[in-house]
Amino acid sequence: SAVISQKPSRDICQRGTSLTIQCQVDSQVTMMFWYRQQPGQSLTLIATANQGSEATYESGFVIDKFPISRPNLTFSTLTVSNMSPEDSSIYLCSVHSGNTIYFGEGSWLTVV
Amino acid sequence: GQQVMQIPQYQHVQEGEDFTTYCNSSTTLSNIQWYKQRPGGHPVFLIQLVKSGEVKKQKRLTFQFGEAKKNSSLHITATQTTDVGTYFCACPSSNTGKLIFGQGTTLQVKP
Repeated sequence: SAVISQKPSRDICQRGTSLTIQCQVDSQVTMMFWYRQQPGQSLTLIATANQGSEATYESGFVIDKFPISRPNLTFSTLTVSNMSPEDSSIYLCSVHSGNTIYFGEGSWLTVV
Repeated sequence: GQQVMQIPQYQHVQEGEDFTTYCNSSTTLSNIQWYKQRPGGHPVFLIQLVKSGEVKKQKRLTFQFGEAKKNSSLHITATQTTDVGTYFCACPSSNTGKLIFGQGTTLQVKP
């Protein structure tokens, strides 16, 4: 199994500011995934964070808006830059362990 | 591109009634996974189905993978208030292997 800690768990952010979300896993994993879940919606993959290389972004997501760091095999950060109200979402990190996928508790961001 | 359709979007049932959510893919799947997200919580992995026609049970939950591996269902027998939440199916993209999530079915259970 894998235990994932995410912080902050919640935040209210001012428009135009940036916020960095941290994700810590209790075991070493090759890939970490960042998802966004807009209110009442399903999960959308933002990017895959690879240790030692640049993150791989999905269509519709760019590095300037969502820079990602992956300094080691147990930690990653996602920054939501220059936030607007449309960025109000839950941001979740996720890892694979065996045949199971684990999610962090999520970071609930509200942009005002 | 590959699509995953999940129905219904919402379901309200009386406690004790059964509930089923369905997931359909436009392409043949290597596997399908199911998740539950409680209100205010994060998605929690329930199960993965791999084999054609596979049926797996977890207490009152029955998961089925279609013979053609293009659809799946989750059936809950005699719902309880603890079953409240949103149930998502997810499957790997045939192109990238990355997970594509269905839209989810939100279950409300009236006591």
